[in-house]
Amino acid sequence: GAGVSQSPSNKVTEKGKDVELRCDPISGHTALYWYRQSLGQGLEFLIYFQGNSAPDKSGLPSDRFSAERTGGSVSTLTIQRTQQEDSAVYLCASSPPWAEESYNEQFFGPGTRLTVL
Amino acid sequence: GIQVEQSPPDLILQEGANSTLRCNFSDSVNNLQWFHQNPWGQLINLFYIPSGTKQNGRLSATTVATERYSLLYISSSQTTDSGVYFCAVATGANNLFFGTGTRLTVIP
Repeated sequence: GAGVSQSPSNKVTEKGKDVELRCDPISGHTALYWYRQSLGQGLEFLIYFQGNSAPDKSGLPSDRFSAERTGGSVSTLTIQRTQQEDSAVYLCASSPPWAEESYNEQFFGPGTRLTVL
Repeated sequence: GIQVEQSPPDLILQEGANSTLRCNFSDSVNNLQWFHQNPWGQLINLFYIPSGTKQNGRLSATTVATERYSLLYISSSQTTDSGVYFCAVATGANNLFFGTGTRLTVIP
């Protein structure tokens, strides 16, 4: 079946502009995660959605970052007033419902490479 | 958060050689995954292995949860095995904590 998809694959923006990154999880997956990968910081968690529960935002680095998940499926990560340190690859992952044995196995999309000039 | 250490950080192998990658973690977990990040940056799931031993072709993995480590074995390595191998752990369905990876280079 189809995997996690993300768009755009690459995004170049100017400092101070807002950007939106999109993630389509695997159909039927209830949990959705955002991570980012940068040279200096490795792979770090940003935000986690589980069904209709309030999201875990504990990894968001600043209030310029926000995310929403509409209808329990597609998610959008928004970065306002982008800074050069926001340059990274933003990765989305999803995992199956609680009822499945490997309910917490995460599957990753191809990522969005964000470059802030 | 949970600390994850991977070793070695870099590994260069001759094609056909075997290798063992290690992952140590600092707390009890019920999710441990091994990934291969290919040259295009895609994280490929290798194993979901919070405990026990699994094998998939030339790759196998063992996790000893009580001693907080996992091993990834690569046998008869091929040039296509090159890339970065990540270990990641979590409790419940919470976010994964990643190690810093092992960069494997297989030379023909």
